[in-house]
Amino acid sequence: GENVEQHPSTLSVQEGDSAVIKCTYSDSASNYFPWYKQELGKGPQLIIDIRSNVGEKKDQRIAVTLNKTAKHFSLHITETQPEDSAVYFCAARGTGTASKLTFGTGTRLQVTL
Amino acid sequence: EAGVAQSPRYKIIEKRQSVAFWCNPISGHATLYWYQQILGQGPKLLIQFQNNGVVDDSQLPKDRFSAERLKGVDSTLKIQPAKLEDSAVYLCASSRPAHPAYEQYFGPGTRLTVT
Repeated sequence: GENVEQHPSTLSVQEGDSAVIKCTYSDSASNYFPWYKQELGKGPQLIIDIRSNVGEKKDQRIAVTLNKTAKHFSLHITETQPEDSAVYFCAARGTGTASKLTFGTGTRLQVTL
Repeated sequence: EAGVAQSPRYKIIEKRQSVAFWCNPISGHATLYWYQQILGQGPKLLIQFQNNGVVDDSQLPKDRFSAERLKGVDSTLKIQPAKLEDSAVYLCASSRPAHPAYEQYFGPGTRLTVT
């Protein structure tokens, strides 16, 4: 089955700096890669996703890049703000209607003033 | 648009007791998922429904866990009997049936503590 590794497990940045979280996946047939933000006591919230036919996607301060050859994808957050502090999860989904999302282990991002 | 609703939000039980969780997906979402999230880990899929049929339950511990989705809307997840290692947050998610049927939207979860 699919295996997703995520790094780093914790990340501390100063407000205004950029943050980068990286994930690798094992199944070359995976074709959908969402990123979720989870705040304390809440469920994961989809913040951006990318499909395998696209190399990069941007939405305001967040962007995701995908390298299918190397089987890795990354989340980039620019101009970080205190409200960006949360746990971020990457995930990968294989092909087929029953293919499930496999999540990474999460990155705790702390944005300090 | 209302989000995924779950209840209860918190539950504390003793081992060997039973517990049930309820989920109401986003209106019009035919696909419903139950995930288990152990502290410090990412969510792990337990079971996936398409309408009221099971699509994937390969990671559901069927000797103690059961789930149903009557009438293709609400769903319940039951654990009987509970073990200490079942302590986790149980998340329900839903998605649209049409392609691309990928975007999953999560509820707030139910935090289960087994003592």
